[in-house]
Amino acid sequence: ETGVTQTPRHLVMGMTNKKSLKCEQHLGHNAMYWYKQSAKKPLELMFVYNFKEQTENNSVPSRFSPECPNSSHLFLHLHTLQPEDSALYLCASSQVLGGSDEQYFGPGTRLTVT
Amino acid sequence: KNEVEQSPQNLTAQEGEFITINCSYSVGISALHWLQQHPGGGIVSLFMLSSGKKKHGRLIATINIQEKHSSLHITASHPRDSAVYICAVRLDSNYQLIWGAGTKLIIKP
Repeated sequence: ETGVTQTPRHLVMGMTNKKSLKCEQHLGHNAMYWYKQSAKKPLELMFVYNFKEQTENNSVPSRFSPECPNSSHLFLHLHTLQPEDSALYLCASSQVLGGSDEQYFGPGTRLTVT
Repeated sequence: KNEVEQSPQNLTAQEGEFITINCSYSVGISALHWLQQHPGGGIVSLFMLSSGKKKHGRLIATINIQEKHSSLHITASHPRDSAVYICAVRLDSNYQLIWGAGTKLIIKP
């Protein structure tokens, strides 16, 4: 079983749609992250969850709404997005928050907002 | 100016060449990561280092803490090494990673 999975892999949505991205990790990790990767730009950290509690919201617009029902699952709910939100959305997990741990990444969801 | 700068942005080389990708940073760090991203998106961690040098197969990563600089080297490069290589630093003040913009490497056969 792949460590971190994300679904869907590709998503095209209109600006009035509501959709959700799903991330699941099978590594027994306690911290999970959502990143946005736009073309030619560094990864942008969006949200961080530690033991299901949100510890970071990096000034992300409210049209992005995260949900972490348990340490293995992370969702990103999307509504009324803008074309500039088109990007690759990456989920990652780590054993603990910070420290010397690596982050393990999922394959990403390629989102296109039309 | 970004806190993490990578150079070059793009690099094209012939199979077999020795490759060097550089990362400079301007903040205090507890660790530096090198990661690889293949077309299609998935990111894989290659190295995490806080001093000295690490080697894994044909990949070598070095860091100079005093100069705030790290290099990733690939020996005997191969077309399958074609990917984006990303440098990220962990601040010594909190858990967050600060990311470089990546270096796109293409190795031609």
